This record gives sequence, C-alpha cells and structure tokens, in this order.
Amino acid sequence: EIVLTQSPGTLSLSPGDRATLSCRASQSVSSSYLAWYQQKPGQAPRLLIYGASSRASGIPDRFSGSGSGTDFTLTISRLEPEDFALYYCQQYGSSPTWTFGQGTKVEIK
Amino acid sequence: QVQLQESGPGLVKPSETLSLTCTVSGGSINSGSYYWSWIRQPAGKGLEWTGRINTSGSTNYNPSLKSRVTISVDTSKNQFSLRLSSVTAADTAVYYCARDKSGYSGNDSMDVYYMDVWGKGTTVTVSS
Repeated sequence: EIVLTQSPGTLSLSPGDRATLSCRASQSVSSSYLAWYQQKPGQAPRLLIYGASSRASGIPDRFSGSGSGTDFTLTISRLEPEDFALYYCQQYGSSPTWTFGQGTKVEIK
Repeated sequence: QVQLQESGPGLVKPSETLSLTCTVSGGSINSGSYYWSWIRQPAGKGLEWTGRINTSGSTNYNPSLKSRVTISVDTSKNQFSLRLSSVTAADTAVYYCARDKSGYSGNDSMDVYYMDVWGKGTTVTVSS
C-alpha cells in the first residue's frame, strides 16, 4: 500500500504570500493518479487538481500542481483570504483503492 | 448539476450495523462511467476511503474495512448505500458520499482519477 506523507503539517502565511505544499509517496505514483483537495471547516472536500497538474472546473489559476514519481507539489501563487483551509493529496492505487495524505493546514499568520 | 445527499441514523449502538444512503439528484446515477464512493472523516482527523460501487454492481473496498463493509446500488432510486457491521466507537465519523471518476474521460481525452462531486456529509456517532 502506498502511503502519502504531506508536509508541512501547518503552514502559517499571510494573504498575498505564496504557499507551497508537499505530498510525498512511499512508492512511485503515476501522475495521472494524483489529486489535490481543499477542505474548509464543516464542509466537504473540493477537488482542486487532478492528474497532478490539471485544474478542476472553476478553480482559480492561482492554484497549480506539479511533480512526478514520488514528489508532488501544490502551489497557491498568492493567498486569498478564502484559501486558508486544509489541503489533502490523494492517490489512486492498485486493487484498486484510494488513499489520502494526512493533510496540510494553511493558516493565517 | 449533479448533487449528492447522505441520509441515515445519526446514532448507532456498538456492535450494530451502520446504514447510510446517498441520493443522487440533478442527473442519473447511470450517466457517464462513474464509480460512487464512500469516504469518512473522524472529528479532527483525515479522510479515509471506505469503498465504492459502479452501476453494474462492481465493488472495491478498503482492505482495512473489507470484512465489515457492503456497498450496494439501486439505480431505480438513483441511490447507493453503505452498510458497516459490528461498529465500534472508532467508526464514529462524518461520512461523505462522492462521485468517483476512474478511467477515460472524453472531455480530457485521457484517463483521469478524481472525486469531483461530494455530498455535504452526515455525522454518525457510535454510542450506547
């Protein structure tokens, strides 16, 4: 089973800052299988990025994804107040199964 | 646009069976080549995929829960359901249903893997 490890656990930044979130897989993952989600308190997750770098419908272009193999990154170019939230990476694995990282919280500094 | 809504008891006794239903509205559960997944999230913790089903009845389950989970689909009602047996306090969580795309997308002209539509979630507490 592939384990996804997200870092840092918490990112303290100010509006307008650039946020860089990491997702590391315990084994190589096809880029097609890697997605990112945003979750706000009391809400369901929202799909941001799929295929490691494709933005989902309606997602602002300040969100971008990159990476391959075992290292993937979600970047928010300029943080807006509504971007302070939890972010999860997710991968589609063999069997088939879905697994999530433990999450990164982006909080206001 | 497709929307999902979870429903079911908010309180289940230990050792009993948790049963939840997800109703698909705004479109047919048969439209497109989708799976329909259940994901849960204990309070203050991360997301855990429980299992999924397609409209042909093909299922996949989280190996850690496989012995206790059954997911079924009722296309006539545009619903799919989760049953989790022999529950304990560790099964207390918010349970989400989601539309699961795993395979070829005509829109993207490639294979895609994501969950793009989620229900709002329902809280299930296991307690006597």
